[in-house]
Amino acid sequence: SQTIHQWPATLVQPVGSPLSLECTVEGTSNPNLYWYRQAAGRGLQLLFYSVGIGQISSEVPQNLSASRPQDRQFILSSKKLLLSDSGFYLCAWRRTGGDYGYTFGSGTRLTVV
Amino acid sequence: DAKTTQPPSMDCAEGRAANLPCNHSTISGNEYVYWYRQIHSQGPQYIIHGLKNNETNEMASLIITEDRKSSTLILPHATLRDTAVYYCIVRAISGSARQLTFGSGTQLTVLP
Repeated sequence: SQTIHQWPATLVQPVGSPLSLECTVEGTSNPNLYWYRQAAGRGLQLLFYSVGIGQISSEVPQNLSASRPQDRQFILSSKKLLLSDSGFYLCAWRRTGGDYGYTFGSGTRLTVV
Repeated sequence: DAKTTQPPSMDCAEGRAANLPCNHSTISGNEYVYWYRQIHSQGPQYIIHGLKNNETNEMASLIITEDRKSSTLILPHATLRDTAVYYCIVRAISGSARQLTFGSGTQLTVLP
């Protein structure tokens, strides 16, 4: 069966520090991968998605970046965090093509102080 | 993707059926209706999806009107653990990889 792992679960980082959140998927190949962010009391905002290794599409210009070094690994990064980067970050995957649903990870709650 | 409209909140008594409506009057013929829910501080969870026929699985039933302009998610016997934000989303089966846009959803509160 397919599983998605996302870590860490919670993170407190000072302003200006770097960030690296990792997401891995098991039990499938060539998935579409996604990073979403949910600010407190707000809806889900798509940040990045990837349809293959090294292929990243950005939805929102910001100081975050994403990379996909391996087929089932998706990384969200920042060189210098801002207070506004605080939120609930969710990784998701979906099978390529068809009417398959999305499977989300358990999320990382990031607080920038 | 077509826009959806959902009530911001609903209450339901434990053990009763919860009926969550969604309007998607601009839905296209190739767009599916998906339902997800998000329990507080967790990632969204897929519930069910359909095109034009009613669908049922172990979690819920999905009723889509004949003109496909609205749908209802039914939780037949709501429990306290069903308290969550429920999102109705329409998406084309042939849509690009990016297309899963969440609206504000309906906060369902199941009352004891």
